[in-house]
Amino acid sequence: DADVTQTPRNRITKTGKRIMLECSQTKGHDRMYWYRQDPGLGLRLIYYSFDVKDINKGEISDGYSVSRQAQAKFSLSLESAIPNQTALYFCATSDGYANYGYTFGSGTRLTVV
Amino acid sequence: AQSVTQPDIHITVSEGASLELRCNYSYGATPYLFWYVQSPGQGLQLLLKYFSGDTLVQGIKGFEAEFKRSQSSFNLRKPSVHWSDAAEYFCAVGADRVDMRFGAGTRLTVKP
Repeated sequence: DADVTQTPRNRITKTGKRIMLECSQTKGHDRMYWYRQDPGLGLRLIYYSFDVKDINKGEISDGYSVSRQAQAKFSLSLESAIPNQTALYFCATSDGYANYGYTFGSGTRLTVV
Repeated sequence: AQSVTQPDIHITVSEGASLELRCNYSYGATPYLFWYVQSPGQGLQLLLKYFSGDTLVQGIKGFEAEFKRSQSSFNLRKPSVHWSDAAEYFCAVGADRVDMRFGAGTRLTVKP
């Protein structure tokens, strides 16, 4: 099994729908992150969490929310999906500051039509 | 805030040829620098990282990178490229407790 598992791998949804992307990890890391990847823009941080009770907004949090259900689980929700949220979403974990490097999931490709 | 620039969007090299991918960063102090590789349909995998010390760092899959403070650069190199190296490569800089900034990526195509 992968260290960081994201579900679903692919999803097509309609504008205005609520959708949840899930991430679970077996690394035992405290820190978890959600990134969004767009062509030509690299990865941008949406939300991050240092533990179950410590959740913080990243660079582009508008239109997104998160839930840290347990140390190993961190989900991302789009409350009302819009087409410009079409992107590749990555969950990542680390056992220290960002300086130590991340372990990434395989990504969720989301298309909003 | 720190930033990362990867000047080359797409590079094509022949198999067996050498490779250099460029990365320039902006940060006030000595940054923590990373190179990640993303194969099609996969997440990002850490190739190597620089924290301090020797400015030439070795990574996995035969890659190395050199930190040049005077040029604010952290270029990735490989002496002989294999077809399996075709992927997208991301440079990243991490300086704060959480703020890791990624470059836009360089897509590598390997010609037979």
